[in-house]
Amino acid sequence: QVHLVQSGAEVKKPGASVKVSCKASGYTFTHYGISWVRQAPGQGLEWMGWISGYNGNANGPQKFQGRVTMSTDTSTNTAHMELRSLTSDDTAVYYCVKDQNWVIDYWGQGTLVTVSS
Amino acid sequence: QTVVTQEPSLTVSPGGTVTLTCAASTGAVTSDYYPNWFQQKPGQAPRAVIYHTTNKHSWTPARFSGSLLGGKAALTLSGVQPEDEAEYYCLLYDGGAWVFGGGTKLTVL
Repeated sequence: QVHLVQSGAEVKKPGASVKVSCKASGYTFTHYGISWVRQAPGQGLEWMGWISGYNGNANGPQKFQGRVTMSTDTSTNTAHMELRSLTSDDTAVYYCVKDQNWVIDYWGQGTLVTVSS
Repeated sequence: QTVVTQEPSLTVSPGGTVTLTCAASTGAVTSDYYPNWFQQKPGQAPRAVIYHTTNKHSWTPARFSGSLLGGKAALTLSGVQPEDEAEYYCLLYDGGAWVFGGGTKLTVL
């Protein structure tokens, strides 16, 4: 069955960067994309962007452009999301989700990123 | 950017029926917005329940159904069970971007 297993919790200082990984299994990685979604404590869900598992093409909302880099490694079926210039507003649980043809079905377990001085 | 609006909270009795809605600031929601719905319980990752407006995932209970209703996407739960108490989020695709609604907290009481 499909699994998305994410890297562990991170604590970062303001201004630093964080890289979250998401290892996929149970499906053909290159046939599907991965979206990244975050959820601040006690808040709703926010879409951060999508990357193709086939060719690495990515897109996302303007809010994150220039600060987020999404990438994939097809040799390990792993997607990565790097967020730079962290502030306390970036404290959140970050999820990777399987996303293709406007269907979001499977979610990773989430990675808590805490930004604190 | 499109703003997606959901009811902040709803309450339903066990065995009852409740409809959650999802509106877009840009106008009527159509199937071209590819509505998806998710259920999230405290401390858990969200779980997908509906995609492409009406389609259930293989794990979605039969009592969940999706539709378009009065220019909005809708999620109806019929014969509500206590375990359906959760936060529900809709997700719409607009202008090449996904936009989540703010969520509806469903209380079963």
